[in-house]
Amino acid sequence: ETGVTQTPRHLVMGMTNKKSLKCEQHLGHNAMYWYKQSAKKPLELMFVYNFKEQTENNSVPSRFSPECPNSSHLFLHLHTLQPEDSALYLCASSQEADRDTEAFFGQGTRLTVV
Amino acid sequence: AQKVTQAQTEISVVEKEDVTLDCVYETRDTTYYLFWYKQPPSGELVFLIRRNSFDEQNEISGRYSWNFQKSTSSFNFTITASQVVDSAVYFCALRDLSGTYKYIFGTGTRLKVLA
Repeated sequence: ETGVTQTPRHLVMGMTNKKSLKCEQHLGHNAMYWYKQSAKKPLELMFVYNFKEQTENNSVPSRFSPECPNSSHLFLHLHTLQPEDSALYLCASSQEADRDTEAFFGQGTRLTVV
Repeated sequence: AQKVTQAQTEISVVEKEDVTLDCVYETRDTTYYLFWYKQPPSGELVFLIRRNSFDEQNEISGRYSWNFQKSTSSFNFTITASQVVDSAVYFCALRDLSGTYKYIFGTGTRLKVLA
């Protein structure tokens, strides 16, 4: 398997649930990203990890908690979300966070908070 | 501040027509990188092209071509002889080296190619 894989593809959760999104990349990259895509808004960068270290937290609420156990895996732990958190969550990777290379994206997890 | 503007929210064309998607960017850096991505209905953003700020040569790849003009801070994307499979949302993005290395995306242009 190649590229960036995200699971699950779709998730419906209640506001009191705890769930996790998973991202895995098989590209040998060292930087991984979480983006949020809401309708009619630009893609919003949430977190950046470079060599497993978090280098960017774009003022994301604490109900979103990222985890990067190694350069190939990235998780987004979710708890007590709000309906406005419903969106497409995209994971991406690139060679390193501080280089000019392009990012490669997964297909996203479509999250619905009810 | 960095910003990418894609003023065209949605464009509809008939198959075989040419279409140009506009992208205007703002950055204070002299070194930066511009990208175009395609997002088909399946969701993933597919990388199309990367261009650095020192290379203003236009590029052609099959039916796709890109026109980079620093004087107008624009990086426009043209699809020649459009096909139904070109229907997608297209995003322009900017990345500079000001310290955050963020990819700054525009709001995207939805292209519908009608048979």
